[in-house]
Amino acid sequence: AQSVSQHNHHVILSEAASLELGCNYSYGGTVNLFWYVQYPGQHLQLLLKYFSGDPLVKGIKGFEAEFIKSKFSFNLRKPSVQWSDTAEYFCAVTSSGGSYIPTFGRGTSLIVHP
Amino acid sequence: SAVISQKPSRDICQRGTSLTIQCQVDSQVTMMFWYRQQPGQSLTLIATANQGSEATYESGFVIDKFPISRPNLTFSTLTVSNLSPEDSSIYLCSVESNGSEQYFGPGTRLTVT
Repeated sequence: AQSVSQHNHHVILSEAASLELGCNYSYGGTVNLFWYVQYPGQHLQLLLKYFSGDPLVKGIKGFEAEFIKSKFSFNLRKPSVQWSDTAEYFCAVTSSGGSYIPTFGRGTSLIVHP
Repeated sequence: SAVISQKPSRDICQRGTSLTIQCQVDSQVTMMFWYRQQPGQSLTLIATANQGSEATYESGFVIDKFPISRPNLTFSTLTVSNLSPEDSSIYLCSVESNGSEQYFGPGTRLTVT
């Protein structure tokens, strides 16, 4: 069975600070990787995804994530956060060619102070 | 993409009663999913609902407690039965598209008193 670990449960930053949220997964096969975001009062929505190809994936709002297969990691980054990035961030994984039902990490709460 | 709506958005229910949550999708989909999101915890899949067949429940979730209906390709309901305070949570409906990308509804916040 696959699992996802998000190491940072709560992150507090000031605007313009750089962000990196850790995500590690455990699964022996080929995976699809996702970051979802839930802004206050809004739906959970896809931020970015990796299926194959370039391991550096760019998403919406200046976010990017890098898939490092040897480390089973898919960390989310943003060079300069804004107050509007305050949200809950979830990493998720599905197995390629298998069940398309994702396994989610427990989420990271990000608060950005103006 | 898919647009999903849920009703109610929130409710406060008494112990021992039941709450039925509705999920409507703006397009026909084969599978719909029901998740529970407890504070500070991950999203937990409750069950997968196919149209025309019984729902498939994940470990720890049973049909008697969480009966699901899927009468057509755009609609599903989840009932949380015999409520206890431990059932207080956010319940989310979702559908899959684009090779395992999930689209989520806004959620239903349930508080059991």
